[in-house]
Amino acid sequence: AQSVTQLGSHVSVSEGALVLLRCNYSSSVPPYLFWYVQYPNQGLQLLLKYTSAATLVKGINGFEAEFKKSETSFHLTKPSAHMSDAAEYFCAVTDTGRRALTFGSGTRLQVQP
Amino acid sequence: NAGVTQTPKFQVLKTGQSMTLQCAQDMNHEYMSWYRQDPGMGLRLIHYSVGAGITDQGEVPNGYNVSRSTTEDFPLRLLSAAPSQTSVYFCASSHDRERTNEKLFFGSGTQLSVL
Repeated sequence: AQSVTQLGSHVSVSEGALVLLRCNYSSSVPPYLFWYVQYPNQGLQLLLKYTSAATLVKGINGFEAEFKKSETSFHLTKPSAHMSDAAEYFCAVTDTGRRALTFGSGTRLQVQP
Repeated sequence: NAGVTQTPKFQVLKTGQSMTLQCAQDMNHEYMSWYRQDPGMGLRLIHYSVGAGITDQGEVPNGYNVSRSTTEDFPLRLLSAAPSQTSVYFCASSHDRERTNEKLFFGSGTQLSVL
């Protein structure tokens, strides 16, 4: 069965610092991987997705993620954090045989001034 | 376009009561789904539909029913609410029923408390 593990339920960074949110996946077939963001009292929005094209995927708001098959990882990064990045971030996986996403448990990002 | 609309935003039920959470989308999406979000557990799939008249179970279907009589609507029914169903519920849709890499569009959620 496919799954994702997000390391760290809470991450705190200073404004302007590097953001690194970790995601490791488990899948028996080549996966599709996603990062979604949830702002307070809102639904989730797609940040970026990996669908077996380029291993480095660029998303919205300056975020990017790199698919590393050898490490089964899909970590999310942003070079310089902004106050508006404070939100909860979810990694998710699916594969060609399924019609549903499997979500990680989420990482809440705090950005300190 | 309104996107994905969920009603109500908040609901409090007593154990054993029934209710229906409404979900409507105006994007002509074939695929619609219901998730529940619980602290520390991410989102878990309850039921999904790949088109009118077609529904299937997700990871946590027990205690919930769905139907898909139109492309636009995908209501979620709780027949006899239990405290374990206290959660935030999200409806999500996507355009293509066949492509699993399609972006999901989420509603703003329904916060349900069962006392």
